[in-house]
Amino acid sequence: DGGITQSPKYLFRKEGQNVTLSCEQNLNHDAMYWYRQDPGQGLRLIYYSQIVNDFQKGDIAEGYSVSREKKESFPLTVTSAQKNPTAFYLCASSILAGRDEQFFGPGTRLTVL
Amino acid sequence: GQNIDQPTEMTATEGAIVQINCTYQTSGFNGLFWYQQHAGEAPTFLSYNVLDGLEEKGRFSSFLSRSKGYSYLLLKELQMKDSASYLCAVPNQAGTALIFGKGTTLSVSS
Repeated sequence: DGGITQSPKYLFRKEGQNVTLSCEQNLNHDAMYWYRQDPGQGLRLIYYSQIVNDFQKGDIAEGYSVSREKKESFPLTVTSAQKNPTAFYLCASSILAGRDEQFFGPGTRLTVL
Repeated sequence: GQNIDQPTEMTATEGAIVQINCTYQTSGFNGLFWYQQHAGEAPTFLSYNVLDGLEEKGRFSSFLSRSKGYSYLLLKELQMKDSASYLCAVPNQAGTALIFGKGTTLSVSS
């Protein structure tokens, strides 16, 4: 079955530690995205990638980093510079960037203690 | 810049009809998306409108007026499982990613 996976579903880290969230898709999509969602809020774009080896900052990129070395994978690192990292993180992909339906992974809930 | 407005919360009863509105301001319109998100889960695609008018898909319909910067999602014959957040989204100015509204939380009661 084609789809998009994120792991782990729940993640706990101590303040000051970097943490990497995994996102993998086997839909053969060129575009991938990372969003952050806080309680009662919509989705805010962190980073996106239109094609392998390329990525752009979204609206709230500070304190985050990404890589896109393979078409299938778009990991997100939450660094210690992110002031308020506790949130629900969603990864998505689409055939082309921006104007196509996005397919979402199940999300990772990160709690920084 | 871009701005999307939706009501924060709505309530309705089983079997009723509810209309969730979305107004947007964007330069270079490239369509409008609606997504459904149950609590703690990922959003799922409901509809995409790029031309004016109403598109019907079973119990759900979506309407767009580009001249007014306005869309609505119409849910008919409401069921308890329709209790969720409904997110309106438009492509960013570059057409490379989606900008989401804050979502409307719909509560359906019996």
